[in-house]
Amino acid sequence: LAKTTQPISMDSYEGQEVNITCSHNNIATNDYITWYQQFPSQGPRFIIQGYKTKVTNEVASLFIPADRKSSTLSLPRVSLSDTAVYYCLVHGSSNTGKLIFGQGTTLQVKP
Amino acid sequence: ETGVTQTPRHLVMGMTNKKSLKCEQHLGHNAMYWYKQSAKKPLELMFVYSLEERVENNSVPSRFSPECPNSSHLFLHLHTLQPEDSALYLCASSQEKVFHGYTFGSGTRLTVV
Repeated sequence: LAKTTQPISMDSYEGQEVNITCSHNNIATNDYITWYQQFPSQGPRFIIQGYKTKVTNEVASLFIPADRKSSTLSLPRVSLSDTAVYYCLVHGSSNTGKLIFGQGTTLQVKP
Repeated sequence: ETGVTQTPRHLVMGMTNKKSLKCEQHLGHNAMYWYKQSAKKPLELMFVYSLEERVENNSVPSRFSPECPNSSHLFLHLHTLQPEDSALYLCASSQEKVFHGYTFGSGTRLTVV
């Protein structure tokens, strides 16, 4: 499984765009990149998933360069409710039980 | 509601008690998981069930005993726990072979006294 590295914590202010970068130098050809969000005392929630280039949904955008050794989660115009832990995971397309979570990035949004 | 329901939400038990955590999913998934999340630590994968068979047990002590009677239900039976077992226990489900991510429940906050 590709190991991921992401900042332990980040601070931002309401209305700003937040970019969280994740390194995954050993990503395999068939691996996907998925980001989850977790609020205190709740289970993680799927945000976005991608394989290459750019993916955008109603919540975030995911930028993946051509070498796929890193990815950047972009949250546009954050609000206080975006304060959470964000996890970057790399996994195969059909591997049962292979979602291994790291420490994640604790994002604190300030007023 | 995520489609994965865990009960109870909170549980306090003594070290000599026996209790069970329940997880139910209404998403038609065929794989289910138990994770443990201790304070300030990453999620730890405990058990994996695929098509109702246990396919992974990550060196979990025998005082934790999982059960998966069908693809929609998952239990975690607890007995003679230790205070260090206090944590948030999370259940998740997914569709094997066509992987689009896990759906997690809200968890059971367990306190062992």
